[in-house]
Amino acid sequence: EVYLEESGGGLVQPGGSLRLSCGASGFTFSSYQITWVRQAPGKGLEWISYINSRGSTMYYADSVKGRFTISRDNAQNSVYLQMNSLRSEDTSIYYCARLDLYGSESFDHWGQGTLVIVSS
Amino acid sequence: QSALTQPAAMSGSPGQSITISCTGTSSDVGGFNYVSWYQQHPGKAPKLIIYGVSSRPSGISNRFSGSKTGNTASLTISGLQTEDEADYYCSSYKRGGSWMFGGGTILTVL
Repeated sequence: EVYLEESGGGLVQPGGSLRLSCGASGFTFSSYQITWVRQAPGKGLEWISYINSRGSTMYYADSVKGRFTISRDNAQNSVYLQMNSLRSEDTSIYYCARLDLYGSESFDHWGQGTLVIVSS
Repeated sequence: QSALTQPAAMSGSPGQSITISCTGTSSDVGGFNYVSWYQQHPGKAPKLIIYGVSSRPSGISNRFSGSKTGNTASLTISGLQTEDEADYYCSSYKRGGSWMFGGGTILTVL
């Protein structure tokens, strides 16, 4: 069974940093592209970052570009999101999601999310 | 990066059909057959229900169907059931290497 699990969320002060992890199991992790999507409390979904299967191509939403860095370790079946210079508007549940292999650019499996609260 | 446009809320009675629209531009919805739809129940992660405009993942009921005309994609749910009450989001790949979501539609089954 495909399983994605986020960790690393918590309370952080504005301007601070946090590193999220996304651990995977149940599939050949190194074959799949992974994204991060966030959801502010009571709000909609926002795509924020993408990494290809080899870790050689990364994309970011304008809202996080220059502050967040996505990376992966295929040997550890994990993707990471390093978040720096955090702002109150970054408060959200952060989900990692897998892109399907059919090339449809859809997110076919999601983790349960980890909550990040940016507040003083 | 503006969100795709969806109605904020819709409602229907059990057994009825509803259609949720998702309007973008020629740089996203209209430019690619990469529209997907997600269902999200309260406190849960989103779940893929339609990919590639009109394809259903394994295990998704055929009561869910998708289509696209120009810059507008649509999700139709036929034979509404109480368990369909949820938030629905469309998504599209966007030219240049990014993805966009719609603002979400709260579906109430009365």
